[in-house]
Amino acid sequence: QKEVEQDPGPLSVPEGAIVSLNCTYSNSAFQYFMWYRQYSRKGPELLMYTYSSGNKEDGRFTAQVDKSSKYISLFIRDSQPSDSATYLCAMVQRSSNTGKLIFGQGTTLQVKP
Amino acid sequence: DAGVTQSPTHLIKTRGQQVTLRCSPKSGHDTVSWYQQALGQGPQFIFQYYEEEERQRGNFPDRFSGHQFPNYSSELNVNALLLGDSALYLCASSLGRELGELFFGEGSRLTVL
Repeated sequence: QKEVEQDPGPLSVPEGAIVSLNCTYSNSAFQYFMWYRQYSRKGPELLMYTYSSGNKEDGRFTAQVDKSSKYISLFIRDSQPSDSATYLCAMVQRSSNTGKLIFGQGTTLQVKP
Repeated sequence: DAGVTQSPTHLIKTRGQQVTLRCSPKSGHDTVSWYQQALGQGPQFIFQYYEEEERQRGNFPDRFSGHQFPNYSSELNVNALLLGDSALYLCASSLGRELGELFFGEGSRLTVL
């Protein structure tokens, strides 16, 4: 069983839709949770990271962590065609392991105009 | 301000050969991590370099080795290449070893024939 599970999709939505992306994990030692966006033929770029359970908002993006269920989510409001990319969740056990991120498989999102 | 730069961008090798990939971190960063991303998968942690020493290592064989230079740039070496080593190799830089934003390069795409 993988430490981090993420549905690879693809997920196709119309422009303006609310998108929900999710990951589950098995290791309760994970403390920091991140979402990266990766465009085709590019490196991943950090969208958001959270430490504790709860919600964190940044513009159209909201990250949600539920440690009791070992479940994290990323919501995208008013989705745009420019949001079409692969979204990777990542997590790490403690701050000194910051380089050793454990990634999910990634979910490919397509936002149609 | 230059971000993380990697070279070469693409390369083709045959089984049994050796390859060296190079990475220059973002200006001001002193820590470099290397990841392997197979097609359709999330990145997998190979190792992290800080103060010219390997600080953490993922589940990769000794065929994978690295080096960090005094100017913080880094090399990834892979010996005795296997077909399964075909992947996108990503370099990520950060400041120090504590949790912080990892900046990824665009990667070096290695094809082993």
